[in-house]
Amino acid sequence: LAKTTQPISMDSYEGQEVNITCSHNNIATNDYITWYQQFPSQGPRFIIQGYKTKVTNEVASLFIPADRKSSTLSLPRVSLSDTAVYYCLVAENNNDMRFGAGTRLTVKP
Amino acid sequence: SAVISQKPSRDICQRGTSLTIQCQVDSQVTMMFWYRQQPGQSLTLIATANQGSEATYESGFVIDKFPISRPNLTFSTLTVSNMSPEDSSIYLCSVGLSNSYEQYFGPGTRLTVT
Repeated sequence: LAKTTQPISMDSYEGQEVNITCSHNNIATNDYITWYQQFPSQGPRFIIQGYKTKVTNEVASLFIPADRKSSTLSLPRVSLSDTAVYYCLVAENNNDMRFGAGTRLTVKP
Repeated sequence: SAVISQKPSRDICQRGTSLTIQCQVDSQVTMMFWYRQQPGQSLTLIATANQGSEATYESGFVIDKFPISRPNLTFSTLTVSNMSPEDSSIYLCSVGLSNSYEQYFGPGTRLTVT
C-alpha cells in the first residue's frame, strides 16, 4: 500500500484559497487518490477523488501531476466552517483504505 | 449514498468489562469496516466484515479482543472485550458501496474505560 505524507497542520484566513499537498511516491498504477474531511465528533466525509490531471467539484479541486507521486487539494475561498482535518488516501478501491496522519486546517477570521 | 447509525453514541465502562457497538446501514452492503480513532489521532482500521464470512483483522487486532458479527447485509457489531483504559477511543463503522468509490462513515461511538 502506498504511504502518504501530508503537512501536520496549516493555518489560513477566511476568503483565502488553501492548497494542501500530499506525497505518495509509491502509488501503484491502479490506485486512485481520495481526500476526506473530518470535523470533530464526526466520521470522515468524502470530498473528492481523482486518478490524474485535474478534478473539480462543488467543494474542491484536485490537481495531480503526470507522475502521480503527489496531489494537491485546493479549497477556494475558505470559511471558518472549513476548519477540519483533511486526509489524503491512496487505494485501488473503497475496500482498501488506510488513513494517514492528515492535515489539521485552521481557518481564522 | 448510505446513512449509517451507531449505538451507543458514547459509553463509560469499567475495566474488565465488554461493550458491544452496533452499526446499522440503510441499504444492503457487502463490506463493512470498523475503525478506531484515539484522541487527536488518525483512523486505524481494525477489521473488514463481510456478510457470511469471518472478519478479516488488521495487524495488531485479534478476534478474541474485538469479535465482530455480521448477521446480514445491513448490520454489524463490534465487541470490545476485557476493556482496559487503553481501549478508550472512538470506534467508527463505515461501508463501501459497489457503485461508488466512497466510504460512508457512521458518527462513531465514544468509549471511555475507567
